[in-house]
Amino acid sequence: GENVEQHPSTLSVQEGDSAVIKCTYSDSASNYFPWYKQELGKRPQLIIDIRSNVGEKKDQRIAVTLNKTAKHFSLHITETQPEDSAVYFCAASIDDSGTYKYIFGTGTRLKVLA
Amino acid sequence: ETGVTQSPTHLIKTRGQQVTLRCSSQSGHNTVSWYQQALGQGPQFIFQYYREEENGRGNFPPRFSGLQFPNYSSELNVNALELDDSALYLCASSAGQGYETQYFGPGTRLLVL
Repeated sequence: GENVEQHPSTLSVQEGDSAVIKCTYSDSASNYFPWYKQELGKRPQLIIDIRSNVGEKKDQRIAVTLNKTAKHFSLHITETQPEDSAVYFCAASIDDSGTYKYIFGTGTRLKVLA
Repeated sequence: ETGVTQSPTHLIKTRGQQVTLRCSSQSGHNTVSWYQQALGQGPQFIFQYYREEENGRGNFPPRFSGLQFPNYSSELNVNALELDDSALYLCASSAGQGYETQYFGPGTRLLVL
């Protein structure tokens, strides 16, 4: 069935360094790929998303790249700050002839060390 | 802060009981999706409602059902509760189906004893 694999499960970086989180999806009908940040006890918050007709998107320190051929997409955070510490989830939206499914990855716990 | 609200915030039930969770979508949004998030896991898609019709469903049994009302608020009903149903239940609203941005509510934490 549909699946989204996310790596790594945990990631520790020094403040100011870059962090990269990678996801791979299985269903070629996937056409929308959001990334969410979830702080402890809080709701997931969208931080960036990309649609299947675009290869890269950037918003200040955050960027997402998409490789449709390889079916993988990545989140890049540059100049990390302590407040970037959270759990990050990737997701893929599958459009199956007008019905939809959303598959989330298992999450990456990012810790930015001051 | 988004406009998606959920009630109740916490709930304790026993096995075999039934539960109804509620979600009010953000103003202007006509689509609501429901997710189950077990501790330490990613959200699992339950189903999506678009203009009062279910238009997508994940791998959940029929005892998970829902409704969407004309004002686009929504309910998630779970019958015959099992211990494994203990989780955080999130709803998310969006301005349309498919690849519209979803905004999550704060969730309802359900504990089944």
